[in-house]
Amino acid sequence: NAGVMQNPRHLVRRRGQEARLRCSPMKGHSHVYWYRQLPEEGLKFMVYLQKENIIDESGMPKERFSAEFPKEGPSILRIQQVVRGDSAAYFCASSPQRVGETQYFGPGTRLLVL
Amino acid sequence: AQSVTQLGSHVSVSEGALVLLRCNYSSSVPPYLFWYVQYPNQGLQLLLKYTSAATLVKGINGFEAEFKKSETSFHLTKPSAHMSDAAEYFCAVSETGNTGKLIFGQGTTLQVKP
Repeated sequence: NAGVMQNPRHLVRRRGQEARLRCSPMKGHSHVYWYRQLPEEGLKFMVYLQKENIIDESGMPKERFSAEFPKEGPSILRIQQVVRGDSAAYFCASSPQRVGETQYFGPGTRLLVL
Repeated sequence: AQSVTQLGSHVSVSEGALVLLRCNYSSSVPPYLFWYVQYPNQGLQLLLKYTSAATLVKGINGFEAEFKKSETSFHLTKPSAHMSDAAEYFCAVSETGNTGKLIFGQGTTLQVKP
């Protein structure tokens, strides 16, 4: 059973460009969470999705950030018009259920904005 | 609101010595608690979790943690440190309600000296 997959592992963008981060959950998992880890900080929740639904986006910045989890295909975290402050590691986690279930993390995408 | 505090951003022990990483949580309801480990440039790996069963939880790689409700603590211990234990450790609480999102502490970097 393959683990959570994220790609790309590393992404370099110039200010103003768009960044697309992909996450394929573990087989059988329908709950996806995105977290951001800024340098020297812990992980901060961004958004929680189920297939075709955003359940909780309370941690998402109000502008430029969006997420989706379509019926088919991976979950996508999209950052428009990136700025240097977006440089961070973005982790995706999946679980078969919600509260109390273990979340399995992917290897992360490390975004560097020049 | 739930929160997690990890006391000590850096802990250094000698190989073979006891490892103690501290975690205190704030929650108005019985929590689900987790310890994750992160090796450099990798994702998070679950060490152990508490979900209201036994208060002493055993995890992988010889780690264990004890849930103490009276102290609102969930400290992580290992009797004898190994060089391979050097990593960053995160304590997390699963938010109650409908989302199950994880709220992380700031992390503790464990250094193991030969």
